Amino acid sequence: ETGVTQSPTHLIKTRGQQVTLRCSSQSGHNTVSWYQQALGQGPQFIFQYYREEENGRGNFPPRFSGLQFPNYSSELNVNALELDDSALYLCATPTSGGPHNEQFFGPGTRLTVL
Amino acid sequence: GENVEQHPSTLSVQEGDSAVIKCTYSDSASNYFPWYKQELGKRPQLIIDIRSNVGEKKDQRIAVTLNKTAKHFSLHITETQPEDSAVYFCAASKTSGSRLTFGEGTQLTVNP
Repeated sequence: ETGVTQSPTHLIKTRGQQVTLRCSSQSGHNTVSWYQQALGQGPQFIFQYYREEENGRGNFPPRFSGLQFPNYSSELNVNALELDDSALYLCATPTSGGPHNEQFFGPGTRLTVL
Repeated sequence: GENVEQHPSTLSVQEGDSAVIKCTYSDSASNYFPWYKQELGKRPQLIIDIRSNVGEKKDQRIAVTLNKTAKHFSLHITETQPEDSAVYFCAASKTSGSRLTFGEGTQLTVNP
């Protein structure tokens, strides 16, 4: 296993609600990326955090926000949920602090918006 | 930004045959190309990767080739087994950041 954990595993929300998803890594790596994977599609990059600061963002609206804590755990917050936000949300961390970009994913949170 | 295209979207082979999945990328600055295998309901798992200073890399039954000039890379699986059945994703990124741009995936089915 990758040592990357996410919670919760499944979540059901209704339109307009807010949700917080969590990610932690046993290695406590200082970089974490979040991805959204809609059914039948490849993961889409949401944003990356490095040493508690946002370090790159994909094509997602501001209602998608994040935090990274001093222990390098991370949260993804989504406000004003829409039906299209239903997806698997994955966080990923590198395996080492070097320049290489191997990304290892957590098991994901399956979000359903009704 | 980067755009990664992946073909075919579905691939069915007989056990023991070879399978090839192809990807193209648009950004010549990309220099890291991983492949992920995703089984139903599970996380994507890194199976092999290649960097732009290498043309080919092998790991047992899996190999990846990269043509920087043509901006395409391919995954080759030999002696396929039923447990190879999964969705395979290619991706591309730059060394300066770890943002991965994924292809749309290939559903590989290996028939016993």
